[in-house]
Amino acid sequence: AQSVTQLDSHVSVSEGTPVLLRCNYSSSYSPSLFWYVQHPNKGLQLLLKYTSAATLVKGINGFEAEFKKSETSFHLTKPSAHMSDAAEYFCVVSAATSGTYKYIFGTGTRLKVLA
Amino acid sequence: NAGVMQNPRHLVRRRGQEARLRCSPMKGHSHVYWYRQLPEEGLKFMVYLQKENIIDESGMPKERFSAEFPKEGPSILRIQQVVRGDSAAYFCASSRDPNTEAFFGQGTRLTVV
Repeated sequence: AQSVTQLDSHVSVSEGTPVLLRCNYSSSYSPSLFWYVQHPNKGLQLLLKYTSAATLVKGINGFEAEFKKSETSFHLTKPSAHMSDAAEYFCVVSAATSGTYKYIFGTGTRLKVLA
Repeated sequence: NAGVMQNPRHLVRRRGQEARLRCSPMKGHSHVYWYRQLPEEGLKFMVYLQKENIIDESGMPKERFSAEFPKEGPSILRIQQVVRGDSAAYFCASSRDPNTEAFFGQGTRLTVV
């Protein structure tokens, strides 16, 4: 079975400092992993995805994530936070299971950026 | 190529009424997924449909909820006799095939009063 755990429900950083949002996954199959961002009362925007190519994945808005199979982790990072990064972030695992293919969402990490 | 279109964006229903949520997938996509997001929670899988077929409905409540994806037209998520606990954001996603990335719509926010 697939599952994903986001280790922090809330993260606060100062503007201009690094961002680290942690995600661990569990999958019996070769997973695809994604990070999505959701701004208040908005839809979901894909930040980046890992699909068994390069383990370091670069996404939009300066975000990147590294797939570490030995640690079953897919942490999201950004070198310097911007006020506009304040949002909810979801780590997602996807893999074919029992003939179906669906996304399993983490519970989300709310990022707060302090001026 | 327009993205996944959901309508309405906001829907208000009184308890006991029916809610119909529509999702038009991206052009060329025949796989549709519905998710529900309760306040302050992540998205929970509800149902996966391929044209005219329900593939996986393991996340659908057993009563009052149904989904379809007809040969022509959008996918419909139908909630009969809505209750306050149905208030949530409902997101639809579509993909070209099961092994490729799914794209999400903007969601429909259902409020039951």
